[in-house]
Amino acid sequence: NAGVMQNPRHLVRRRGQEARLRCSPMKGHSHVYWYRQLPEEGLKFMVYLQKENIIDESGMPKERFSAEFPKEGPSILRIQQVVRGDSAAYFCASSPKQGNSGANVLTFGAGSRLTVL
Amino acid sequence: GESVGLHLPTLSVQEGDNSIINCAYSNSASDYFIWYKQESGKGPQFIIDIRSNMDKRQGQRVTVLLNKTVKHLSLQIAATQPGDSAVYFCAEASQAGTALIFGKGTTLSVSS
Repeated sequence: NAGVMQNPRHLVRRRGQEARLRCSPMKGHSHVYWYRQLPEEGLKFMVYLQKENIIDESGMPKERFSAEFPKEGPSILRIQQVVRGDSAAYFCASSPKQGNSGANVLTFGAGSRLTVL
Repeated sequence: GESVGLHLPTLSVQEGDNSIINCAYSNSASDYFIWYKQESGKGPQFIIDIRSNMDKRQGQRVTVLLNKTVKHLSLQIAATQPGDSAVYFCAEASQAGTALIFGKGTTLSVSS
């Protein structure tokens, strides 16, 4: 039973390019969360999605960032026109239900590390 | 600002000692708390959780204590081992919220 799968594990982009990060949740999980972690800091919530719906995007920057979780396929976090400040580790987590109750602990992937040159 | 934080950024202990990692939270509406462990280059791994109707919960070698009066959470690790070296995060959630909110983390270093 594979856990949360994220790819790529490492991504290097030049300023102005686009970055696409993919996340496949655990089997049976229909809720996906994206978090960003800057060096030496904690995880910052970005967005919470269910299949084909964005439930909470209160942590997403207003520009250049978008996320989707289509009916088929992985969830995608897309960063357009990347800047050096976007360099971070991006973690995806999944849960079978909304992840704010004791029975639905978030399971995290290994993360995608974005470096912007 | 953040609603969850930790008292100390780093903690160094000797192998075999007991470790105590502390966390303060500010959101009175939070009713669910989790401790995660993150090893270098990996994602956070669930350790133990506790609901607000409990004061204490024990797992294997770990105990979480919750003091709602002072909004304080702690993780106790018994007989700390080198493999326990990692960054430890507390996280909180509320029924009204949709996602876990994390603190900055405490780096635990265990020396042999």
